[in-house]
Amino acid sequence: DGGITQSPKYLFRKEGQNVTLSCEQNLNHDAMYWYRQDPGQGLRLIYYSQIVNDFQKGDIAEGYSVSREKKESFPLTVTSAQKNPTAFYLCASSTQDRVGHGYTFGSGTRLTVV
Amino acid sequence: AQSVTQPDIHITVSEGASLELRCNYSYGATPYLFWYVQSPGQGLQLLLKYFSGDTLVQGIKGFEAEFKRSQSSFNLRKPSVHWSDAAEYFCAVGAASGSARQLTFGSGTQLTVLP
Repeated sequence: DGGITQSPKYLFRKEGQNVTLSCEQNLNHDAMYWYRQDPGQGLRLIYYSQIVNDFQKGDIAEGYSVSREKKESFPLTVTSAQKNPTAFYLCASSTQDRVGHGYTFGSGTRLTVV
Repeated sequence: AQSVTQPDIHITVSEGASLELRCNYSYGATPYLFWYVQSPGQGLQLLLKYFSGDTLVQGIKGFEAEFKRSQSSFNLRKPSVHWSDAAEYFCAVGAASGSARQLTFGSGTQLTVLP
């Protein structure tokens, strides 16, 4: 079955470390997204990509970086510049030309700073 | 810019009671509207969506929603809630054209179901 796989499910980061969250989809979707979720704040867009080798900053991109070398993959790196990285991170994808079909979400990665 | 407001942060209902979750949107044209549900520690699952046509849309798990243009609302309803419906619910609005980033989410409504 097609879907989005996020890994790992739980991730622990020490102060000053960079960590990378994986997101892979086999839906043949063009667009991919990263959201951060904190209690009571809904979903906030970090980065999105509409095509391979191109991506755009979302509303809270500071302290994060992404790459889109393959259509199927959109990894997110949480850098040491992100001062409060503890959160639940969600990856999503959609078809480029039919946003009305909504997004398909992965099951998320919970990142904790220790 | 488009926006979504979910005025109720937390709602508690008894099992078997009816449910209505409120969603108000701001958008200049006819929007795409969505309701998603999220169980703890999981991703979001699409419940239903509205593009055009019949303003009452049916979704999965017995949910329905009604689009009311005059009130800029897209409220989610269920006639009889089950304990398994306890989750967080998100309303989202999307643009009918252009950029793939045009899906904006509300801040969510947490639903508790009492036995």
